[in-house]
Amino acid sequence: SQQGEEDPQALSIQEGENATMNCSYKTSINNLQWYRQNSGRGLVHLILIRSNEREKHSGRLRVTLDTSKKSSSLLITASRAADTASYFCAPGRYGQNFVFGPGTRLSVLP
Amino acid sequence: DTEVTQTPKHLVMGMTNKKSLKCEQHMGHRAMYWYKQKAKKPPELMFVYSYEKLSINESVPSRFSPECPNSSLLNLHLHALQPEDSALYLCASSQGQTNEKLFFGSGTQLSVL
Repeated sequence: SQQGEEDPQALSIQEGENATMNCSYKTSINNLQWYRQNSGRGLVHLILIRSNEREKHSGRLRVTLDTSKKSSSLLITASRAADTASYFCAPGRYGQNFVFGPGTRLSVLP
Repeated sequence: DTEVTQTPKHLVMGMTNKKSLKCEQHMGHRAMYWYKQKAKKPPELMFVYSYEKLSINESVPSRFSPECPNSSLLNLHLHALQPEDSALYLCASSQGQTNEKLFFGSGTQLSVL
């Protein structure tokens, strides 16, 4: 199995600011996904970036992938209180199930 | 329909009870998963069903018994649980490949007394 490690483990920002969280992994991947989890709820898929892509956008989300450094970053622009959640990265490789890392707990303060 | 439905949302059970958690999806997905999540921890994979066959059992105690009656349904039968089994149990599905997008249900919050 392939596990990602998110950094930082906790992040507090003011509403309107940008939030950046990072993910590192150890072996080669086919894709990398980011998920969000609101407290006590299921995970929600945010975005998938393939190993041959370097950057991807979805609304206020921007994901980058650097396969040479085995790292990815998730940028949330103009954050809102509703973005308060835990964020998990999931490095994907054919034939292997995801192992979720500790996640980044984001708090967006009004 | 892009939902994974889990029932019940909350469950309280004694250590001698037998109960079942249910999960349903109608997206035609052929892989279904059970995860266990303790508070402030990441989800941990328990079981994977691929094409209705159990393909992964992550060394889960036998007091947890999964069942996949058909391609849309996934059950988790619980018997003689311990208080440390109290957690959020999440079901997920994906189209087929193990590294594809996962669709999660809202979970069952289980308390074992």
